[in-house]
Order: sequence, then structure tokens, then C-alpha cells
Amino acid sequence: QVQLVESGGGVVQPGRSLRLSCAASGFTFSTYGMHWVRQAPGKGLEWVAITSIEGSNKNYADSVKGRFIISRDNSKNTLYLQMNSLNTEDTAIYYCAKGDISGWYLDYWGQGTLVTVSS
Amino acid sequence: SYDLTQPPSVSVSPGQTASITCSGDKLGHNHVCWYQQKPGQSPVLVIYQHDKRPSGIPERFSGSNSGNTATLTISGTQAMDEADYYCQAWDSNIVVFGGGTKLTVL
Repeated sequence: QVQLVESGGGVVQPGRSLRLSCAASGFTFSTYGMHWVRQAPGKGLEWVAITSIEGSNKNYADSVKGRFIISRDNSKNTLYLQMNSLNTEDTAIYYCAKGDISGWYLDYWGQGTLVTVSS
Repeated sequence: SYDLTQPPSVSVSPGQTASITCSGDKLGHNHVCWYQQKPGQSPVLVIYQHDKRPSGIPERFSGSNSGNTATLTISGTQAMDEADYYCQAWDSNIVVFGGGTKLTVL
């Protein structure tokens, strides 16, 4: 079955960097687009970024553009999110999610990893 | 930016029908889906492509989309359906979520 396992979260000071990973299994990772979505404590879902199948096309939410970088290693079945210049508003649970076959929907989600930006 | 508007909360009695709306410009021409999120859990896709249900989602969940409004309908609502529900669509190559609706079954 499809499994997505995020890791790399933790407490980080404002202005610092952090890299999240998402290990995928149970499907052919290299044939699906992948997303990062976050959820601040007590708030709704906020889409963060998407990468295409081969990683050549990427898009970002305005709130993270220029600071976050989404990438993937299809040989390792792993999705990444490099987060730079973090601020307190980036505090959230970060989920990786698999795009469905059509590319329009997110059909499987990981359990999330918590990132806390605090001094 | 493209905004999706959902009511913050909806209440329904057990066994009754719950309807949750999602409004956005020309939403009927967009690729809309719905997610269910229970406390402490990850979101689950419950409706996609306007009205299709993924495997394992009960038949009581249905969807519609026309004009500027998409609607998630839960027929014969059960206590286990109490959750937050989010609609999702696209703005060019960007994913957009609605603000979420808390469904209370009482």
C-alpha cells in the first residue's frame, strides 16, 4: 500500500534552515507529481509546493517562493523540502502528498512532520 | 489570487443530510475535490473530479459542482463523519484550498 513518511522536522531559530524528507513506498514514485502542504497549529491547510515527475517543473505558494525549494530523488523514492530563512509564520505540520494519476488531486498524504520556528 | 470560500461551520443531526459549500470564481470549470480531516489525523481525499469517490469512501459522500459553487453532501450523516472538510481547486499551476468547514454531528 502507499506509504509516505516525512522526517526532518524540529525546533529551529528564525532565520535558520531546515530540510524535510518524505520517503515514499508502495507505488512507482517516479511517475507521480508530489506536493508539500502545511498546516499551522489550529489553522487550515496551506499548499506549499509541487514538483513534476522528473523534477523539472516546480511551483510554489507566494508565501514561500524564493525561500523554499522542493526537489526529489527518484532513485531513492524520496521527496525533499529545503526551507531557508525560516520565520515564525512557517511553524506548522508539513505533509507530503502524492498527486493522483490525473495530476489534479492529492490522493495520499503522509502523517506529517512538525516544524517549530522559535527563538 | 484565487479564493475559495467555505462556511466555517455546519451542524447536522445524525441520520440527516449535511451540505458543505465551496465558492469560487467559475469553480464549475475547475478541478475540484474535497478532503476530510479528523483531529490529529492527516487529510483524506473523499471526493474528486466533482463527484467521484476514491475506493473505501462510503456511498453517503457525494459531490456536485456548477457555476461558482461546489457542494459536498453527506447523506445519512454518522457521528464518525464529524471532521473538518476542505475543498481544493487550482489557480493556473497553483493549488488552492478553501478555509475549511467544521462539521458537527449533534
